[in-house]
Amino acid sequence: SQELEQSPQSLIVQEGKNLTINCTSSKTLYGLYWYKQKYGEGLIFLMMLQKGGEEKSHEKITAKLDEKKQQSSLHITASQPSHAGIYLCGADIGSARQLTFGSGTQLTVLP
Amino acid sequence: EAQVTQNPRYLITVTGKKLTVTCSQNMNHEYMSWYRQDPGLGLRQIYYSMNVEVTDKGDVPEGYKVSRKEKRNFPLILESPSPNQTSLYFCASSQAAVAYEQYFGPGTRLTVT
Repeated sequence: SQELEQSPQSLIVQEGKNLTINCTSSKTLYGLYWYKQKYGEGLIFLMMLQKGGEEKSHEKITAKLDEKKQQSSLHITASQPSHAGIYLCGADIGSARQLTFGSGTQLTVLP
Repeated sequence: EAQVTQNPRYLITVTGKKLTVTCSQNMNHEYMSWYRQDPGLGLRQIYYSMNVEVTDKGDVPEGYKVSRKEKRNFPLILESPSPNQTSLYFCASSQAAVAYEQYFGPGTRLTVT
């Protein structure tokens, strides 16, 4: 099994709906990074979380780190078609030299 | 404009024909890395470099070579490509000599027949 599990693997929502994507680690998290990828393109950095309980927001996207649960959640409020893409979490799980990535969540937002 | 560039963006080649994918960043970043992305497997790190002349294996280094002779460039070399190396490849860099907040290139889609 992967060290970072993302759920769900895919998500289809109607425009305007809220949604949540989870990223769970099997190891202690020392830092959690959220990226967005449009299909076949490079990754765009969204947010970095480093402390338990830390919560960050960027426009309508909020991410939170639950250190005890070794989990992070990414929440999108009032989704728009521009939010569509693949969301990946990356984490430092013991080596500052490497990030481990989840397999991604493909988000489709229907107009 | 601050960016990571990769060339070529698309490449179709045959088994055994050596190839190089170039990666260059203009942000004076210390850390650079190569990943491959495959359906269902996510991003897996191939090699990384924390500084000039310092490279290390990632999770899937077999069949690949890298070099870091200059700070800005980090080419990925496939000496004898095989079909299982068909993938989408990304180069990334970050400011500090660690893996945080990486900036990614646009990707190179490689097909080995």
